[in-house]
Amino acid sequence: GAVVSQHPSRVICKSGTSVKIECRSLDFQATTMFWYRQFPKQSLMLMATSNEGSKATYEQGVEKDKFLINHASLTLSTLTVTSAHPEDSSFYICSARDHIIWGAEAFFGQGTRLTVV
Amino acid sequence: QQPVQSPQAVILREGEDAVINCSSSKALYSVHWYRQKHGEAPVFLMILLKGGEQKGHEKISASFNEKKQQSSLYLTASQLSYSGTYFCGTEIEGGSEKLVFGKGTKLTVNP
Repeated sequence: GAVVSQHPSRVICKSGTSVKIECRSLDFQATTMFWYRQFPKQSLMLMATSNEGSKATYEQGVEKDKFLINHASLTLSTLTVTSAHPEDSSFYICSARDHIIWGAEAFFGQGTRLTVV
Repeated sequence: QQPVQSPQAVILREGEDAVINCSSSKALYSVHWYRQKHGEAPVFLMILLKGGEQKGHEKISASFNEKKQQSSLYLTASQLSYSGTYFCGTEIEGGSEKLVFGKGTKLTVNP
């Protein structure tokens, strides 16, 4: 079946540094991918929609200069957390849907647990 | 825009049934159901599309009332492996495929 791969699964970084997270669709193409953030025992909060070949669409309240999104190909989207601070520590997870299939389910990556120290 | 899920938590004994509800204030194109276990990614259970089409696991059933913008997930003869947090994700009409998730329903199945 379709698989979305996310890397890395865990990262610890120092406050003030940047972290890049990759999301790949392995056997289908995705013109859009979605980035979510999840705090402990809370829901998946949509941060932004990554659009292949164009600018990402950010949800209200999400700082686009802090969470940089690039969608350079139909199978790869990256999220860069810039100048990370401890409050950015969270579980970040991407999802993608096969844009060819009508009504396709969303597949999730494994998630990235970011800890900023 | 976030859908409302109920109940927030359910505790069952193995073999019992449960219903989880999801409602939206927006006109929906589809409803997606996922189960997430602690520290893991959500796992796809079911998708219900406007117009009646459904796709999902054989042992999972769900309904979608398009007029009321409500969906229910039916878990029958629960097993220990059903434990986890269930999320509904809604796709609004004209919403560019993005899913917005409810706050989740924590299901605990005890022996």
